[in-house]
Amino acid sequence: DTEVTQTPKHLVMGMTNKKSLKCEQHMGHRAMYWYKQKAKKPPELMFVYSYEKLSINESVPSRFSPECPNSSLLNLHLHALQPEDSALYLCASSHQTQGADGELFFGEGSRLTVL
Amino acid sequence: GENVEQHPSTLSVQEGDSAVIKCTYSDSASNYFPWYKQELGKRPQLIIDIRSNVGEKKDQRIAVTLNKTAKHFSLHITETQPEDSAVYFCAALRGNFGNEKLTFGTGTRLTIIP
Repeated sequence: DTEVTQTPKHLVMGMTNKKSLKCEQHMGHRAMYWYKQKAKKPPELMFVYSYEKLSINESVPSRFSPECPNSSLLNLHLHALQPEDSALYLCASSHQTQGADGELFFGEGSRLTVL
Repeated sequence: GENVEQHPSTLSVQEGDSAVIKCTYSDSASNYFPWYKQELGKRPQLIIDIRSNVGEKKDQRIAVTLNKTAKHFSLHITETQPEDSAVYFCAALRGNFGNEKLTFGTGTRLTIIP
């Protein structure tokens, strides 16, 4: 299995809703990432988990709350979002062994619309 | 932090001709340089990468060159085909073992003209 699977593919939510994005990989990767991508822009790093611990938070607002329940799963909990948070949210994973670090495997993304 | 600049932002090439996209980076500690292709509505897909101990790498019609002294790297696509039309992102990575941070360039929209 060389896939990173994200659900849901599409999500529409109101500003008062609470929802979650999910990401799963079974490649034995120990690093997992959340990226945000706006239209016609490059992906922007939000969070990095390494061995199930949060290692990088790129000053993301607290209305985005990541969670890594185990080495295969990564969640992004959403609460009180703003319309400008509408974007494609990409999950990725990578090996963390010397010589192999860096290569990211991306999921298909979850397209979020905040009304 | 790292800053990656990418040029050109758009590129139109006649089918069969070559395309070149250039990137520069600012952090000399960056040691891994991937290129991603992203088709409309799809995920970024790694097409080629190069590590800092290598100057050039080739995979069929795609090649990447790296000049660490000048802090720039380039993507070369030869014999372009319509299916090469997409947005291409370069990226630079620094850090390791849980602190890797991949910074993307601004992207190049490549259009192959049949």
